[in-house]
Amino acid sequence: QVRLQESGPGLVKPSETLSLTCTVSGGSIISYYWSWIRQPPGKGLEWIGFFYYSGSTNYNPSLKSRVSISVDTSKNQFSLSLSSVTAADTAMYYCARHPTTSGFYSYYMDVWGDGTTVTVSS
Amino acid sequence: QSALTQPASVSGSPGQSITISCTGTSSDIGGYSYVSWYQQHPGKAPKLIIYDVNNRPSGVSNRFSGSKSGNTASLTISGLQAEDEADYYCSSYASSNTLWVFGGGTKVAVL
Repeated sequence: QVRLQESGPGLVKPSETLSLTCTVSGGSIISYYWSWIRQPPGKGLEWIGFFYYSGSTNYNPSLKSRVSISVDTSKNQFSLSLSSVTAADTAMYYCARHPTTSGFYSYYMDVWGDGTTVTVSS
Repeated sequence: QSALTQPASVSGSPGQSITISCTGTSSDIGGYSYVSWYQQHPGKAPKLIIYDVNNRPSGVSNRFSGSKSGNTASLTISGLQAEDEADYYCSSYASSNTLWVFGGGTKVAVL
């Protein structure tokens, strides 16, 4: 059974870069597509970005200038980097899996990590 | 402001049926049969309960059902139970550069 675990610093200073890692266990990272999603306190979900291990990525236009997703297949991990953070980036950050069918990604996320809380504050 | 519009709250008594609406545009819900629904209990991660408009993942109760008409998708919970009290989010694939859009969430209360 695939499990996802997010990790990273819980506190980031304004204007700095937020860096998080998602570790995949129980399955291979190269077999699926993956997304990052975030949820500000008391608010709804926001899709951040989507990628495949080959390097194909797609980012939310509202964050595109500040976000980057990378992968380390040797560690079965992928990472999120969000630069120039402000208080508005304070949120629970989730990584999630898109199942695949015949190599094509599905349009939903079937496995989610537990999430990691990031607070932006000086 | 979320791309998809959901009611803030819906309530019902045990055993009743409730329906949560999710309204988008022809660029998301109306253009694709790729609506999904997620259940989120307090302090927990979202859980997929409906995908591709009306499909249930293995293990999800058949009390949950989905549908779509035009630019509006709906989630129906029949035989409401106390454990259904949670937040529910709709999501859709979108033809804009934002591949996935979410609704603002609906809090379901079991009276």
